[in-house]
Order: sequence, then C-alpha cells, then structure tokens
Amino acid sequence: GQQVMQIPQYQHVQEGEDFTTYCNSSTTLSNIQWYKQRPGGHPVFLIQLVKSGEVKKQKRLTFQFGEAKKNSSLHITATQTTDVGTYFCEISSGSARQLTFGSGTQLTVLP
Amino acid sequence: GAGVSQSPRYKVTKRGQDVALRCDPISGHVSLYWYRQALGQGPEFLTYFNYEAQQDKSGLPNDRFSAERPEGSISTLTIQRTEQRDSAMYRCASSLEVTGHYGYTFGSGTRLTVV
Repeated sequence: GQQVMQIPQYQHVQEGEDFTTYCNSSTTLSNIQWYKQRPGGHPVFLIQLVKSGEVKKQKRLTFQFGEAKKNSSLHITATQTTDVGTYFCEISSGSARQLTFGSGTQLTVLP
Repeated sequence: GAGVSQSPRYKVTKRGQDVALRCDPISGHVSLYWYRQALGQGPEFLTYFNYEAQQDKSGLPNDRFSAERPEGSISTLTIQRTEQRDSAMYRCASSLEVTGHYGYTFGSGTRLTVV
C-alpha cells in the first residue's frame, strides 16, 4: 500500500516561533489533505491540495504541495497556544481513494 | 444533521461478541469513510462509500469486519467475534462530494474496548 512519512514526530516551540511539518511520499499523489487534531478530539479538516506547486494560505497557516506532487508542508507563522495539537497529512493516489494518514506531528507551544 | 454523529460513544464488549457501530453523516453528504485510530497514531483507513456503493474495502483488517450503507445515508460497521486487538477508536467521516474538495467532517468516534 501507499506510505507517507511525516516529520518531525514531535515539535516543541516557544509561543511566537514558527513551526513546519512535512509529509513525503515515494509515489506521485493525486491530492493531499491536512488535518488538526486536538488532544481528546477528532481530526478537523484544514485543507486539500490538488495542483502541482500549489500554495494555499489560511491566516497564519501556509500549505504547499511540491512540484512533483510527492511532498507537502504545513507552516505556521508565529505560533499561539491555540495551535497545540497533532497535525496529520492524508494522501491518496491513483484512481481509487486509498487514503493513508501520516503518523502526525505533535505540536506543543510553550507560553 | 449539523455534524457527523456516531453511536455509541463508548462500547465495552466481551471477546467473541459481535458489535455494530453506527455513523450518521451530514445530510446530503455523498461520501462516507470509516477509519480506526489507535492512541497516539494517525487514523487508519478501513473502507468508504460513495452513496450506497462500497468503493474500497481494502483497509478492512480481515473478514470479521464489514460495513454497509444501504440507503446511501447511515452506515454501520460490524465487527464479528471481537478480539482484544480490535480495541480502538473507530471514526467516521463524510464529505459533500466524492473529491473531498469541500472538506471532510469527522464524527466524535466510538471508543471500542474488547475485554
């Protein structure tokens, strides 16, 4: 099946610092989704990226899809304590929606 | 409904018993997905439906697991002869259309414990 590597597994930042998580696949992806999951909560959909080289912004969050559609990143500028949680990517490739989640990056923001 | 509703929220069952987990997606959502999530890990895809048709069940661990969505709305995930390794959070998500362009909404999940 498909595999996706997500790094780092954990990230501790001081409030106000930036944060980035990366997802990498060995295969070309159809699209990639990003989610945020707060402790004890359920995954909340953030965005879907479809096009090669696509960049999308949501306030302090910037999402990128690589030119080869094999990698993606989520960058948070000037983190806040409300950004705490685990960020997951989810990939699909091929005609069938075989959905695979990354292992997640757990973000801790220190006040 | 306003969100994806899953029931029960918690289920404790004895090993060997069958369980049925229910998912009520957002009204009008075409696609419905089932995942399983172990503590500290990302959700693991199980199966999904477009309308009433099961599109992909490659993620179901074995033939004790089955799912249906007979009328293209509510879905049931059934686990027969439960085993302790089946203990996990089972999550359901739905999307307005098949591409997921408008996003996916997850329910709060069913925490299954097999004792």
